[in-house]
Amino acid sequence: GQNIDQPTEMTATEGAIVQINCTYQTSGFNGLFWYQQHAGEAPTFLSYNVLDGLEEKGRFSSFLSRSKGYSYLLLKELQMKDSASYLCAVRDNTDKLIFGTGTRLQVFP
Amino acid sequence: GAVVSQHPSRVICKSGTSVKIECRSLDFQATTMFWYRQFPKQSLMLMATSNEGSKATYEQGVEKDKFLINHASLTLSTLTVTSAHPEDSSFYICSPAGGTSHEQYFGPGTRLTVT
Repeated sequence: GQNIDQPTEMTATEGAIVQINCTYQTSGFNGLFWYQQHAGEAPTFLSYNVLDGLEEKGRFSSFLSRSKGYSYLLLKELQMKDSASYLCAVRDNTDKLIFGTGTRLQVFP
Repeated sequence: GAVVSQHPSRVICKSGTSVKIECRSLDFQATTMFWYRQFPKQSLMLMATSNEGSKATYEQGVEKDKFLINHASLTLSTLTVTSAHPEDSSFYICSPAGGTSHEQYFGPGTRLTVT
């Protein structure tokens, strides 16, 4: 079956760095996505990894290890507006995007 | 990113009635449409996948006769929740695919409340 795991909740302080981990076991692999979702809104795209390694985009970076079925999203210089849910999603071999449980991040002053 | 619209953004209906949700891909041809729903404090769950001009494929546990999906054109797909019950109250989000980008875009979502 499909299984994508993330921590349920995390907290961090404004200005700090936080790493949100994601492990997956899916039917095939055609890329891993990270999305940010604020309450009551649709997810917005943050990053995409299909090869092993680190992808950096401003304050956000995402890492992938396909052999380990593992990814993380790194958020630097945290701001209050970064308080949101972060969703890890894997595109399987039928091109379906399967979502993890999501991690609710709270940033405190 | 792609422009995707959903209508309505919010709807309240009475138990037993039907509700139609429209999803439009405004700037690319959506050969595939994914429909998701999200219950409070949970992640997105894939309900069904439809290809333009074909019948939708439903995920396990999703009733095809209750959630009718039409994908008659490359820019429009509809999800109709028939004989709605309070437990169908959820956030419904469409996601068109088919452009050249690897990204998968999402509509703004429709908040359905069944009373």
